[in-house]
Amino acid sequence: ETGVTQTPRHLVMGMTNKKSLKCEQHLGHNAMYWYKQSAKKPLELMFVYNFKEQTENNSVPSRFSPECPNSSHLFLHLHTLQPEDSALYLCASSRQGTGNEKLFFGSGTQLSVL
Amino acid sequence: KQEVTQIPAALSVPEGENLVLNCSFTDSAIYNLQWFRQDPGKGLTSLLLIQSSQREQTSGRLNASLDKSSGRSTLYIAASQPGDSATYLCAGWTGAGSYQLTFGKGTKLSVIP
Repeated sequence: ETGVTQTPRHLVMGMTNKKSLKCEQHLGHNAMYWYKQSAKKPLELMFVYNFKEQTENNSVPSRFSPECPNSSHLFLHLHTLQPEDSALYLCASSRQGTGNEKLFFGSGTQLSVL
Repeated sequence: KQEVTQIPAALSVPEGENLVLNCSFTDSAIYNLQWFRQDPGKGLTSLLLIQSSQREQTSGRLNASLDKSSGRSTLYIAASQPGDSATYLCAGWTGAGSYQLTFGKGTKLSVIP
């Protein structure tokens, strides 16, 4: 248990569906992240939130919409996804978001887009 | 663009062996480096963080080192155990004004009992 909880663990959705991924951290951290892990590719940073403010958007398509209502919760809203969006989506947190600190990851949501 | 190579991509060793995993960066200007472990279908667990002022870190049977001049890092695992079987990823930060960790694809380790 890393202190970062992601739900759901698995999600299957059609290309016209709308769904949301949820992440909650119980570590008192101020920075939260969404990463995408596709087969045979390195982890890709999608979004960074520092003290609830989005500080990085790594050229992610608009069909992915993040939301950070407070420092403990992070959502990723999904709509009109493509089959190539199928991947493991990982949430992470860190204390200050400075880069010189450990990242704590959740177990991920395995997403399949049909 | 920073890229990270991890060698080997996969490794199978008998239990009890010492082993070394390698990680290299195309841009040697690495500010800090982390080694992670990932079990199948799970998230990543941070094992060691070598911060900007350090050259190596140790935790139990694990030792990681970073040579900033060459942009290379090694993870040494002593007396390997079947429970060490996992994928090991390295990630570096260039400190270039944004939080952008660059990850390698990982080394998949199998320790045979």
